[in-house]
Amino acid sequence: DVKVTQSSRYLVKRTGEKVFLECVQDMDHENMFWYRQDPGLGLRLIYFSYDVKMKEKGDIPEGYSVSREKKERFSLILESASTNQTSMYLCASAQNYNEQFFGPGTRLTVL
Amino acid sequence: DQQVKQNSPSLSVQEGRISILNCDYTNSMFDYFLWYKKYPAEGPTFLISISSIKDKNEDGRFTVFLNKSAKHLSLHIVPSQPGDSAVYFCAASELRAAGNKLTFGGGTRVLVKP
Repeated sequence: DVKVTQSSRYLVKRTGEKVFLECVQDMDHENMFWYRQDPGLGLRLIYFSYDVKMKEKGDIPEGYSVSREKKERFSLILESASTNQTSMYLCASAQNYNEQFFGPGTRLTVL
Repeated sequence: DQQVKQNSPSLSVQEGRISILNCDYTNSMFDYFLWYKKYPAEGPTFLISISSIKDKNEDGRFTVFLNKSAKHLSLHIVPSQPGDSAVYFCAASELRAAGNKLTFGGGTRVLVKP
């Protein structure tokens, strides 16, 4: 059974803190993705990676960075968290030309 | 500028009746379309997909229709069940693009009343 796990389900941070969100998949997928979900806006792509150490900007990369040192792990970094980054963060993985599998999400609140 | 739009934010339907969810897109390069279902506090789960070479794909109670000339697709759920109450997202991609990137619509919240 396919599995994508995210390091935290709920996270509360203060403005200016550095935040790490980790995602691990056990399906040996090439591609991994980070989205944020906000009401009425659907899922918006932040960054994605199609290979180890490779990264591509999505639609809303500002204020975020990513790291993919191993095939199974994709990290999202908020260098200096701001209140407008309060959101649900979703990680996904996919083999080429197939549907994406999502993790359970991390609800991040920045105070 | 949203390339994938779901113009109905919510839909309420009686159990046993048909649910019809609509989705419009603007990018003519999109050639693969998917529907995802999302329950609260869970990640989205894949429901059904359709390639641009087809105009219909069916899987049990779920059917997706694609009208390429109108850049429109719809998801039909027949019959609707209370467990179908969730948020549904339409997504589109270009199969030839690297990385399997998806562009999502804003979602439609479906409530199936018993």
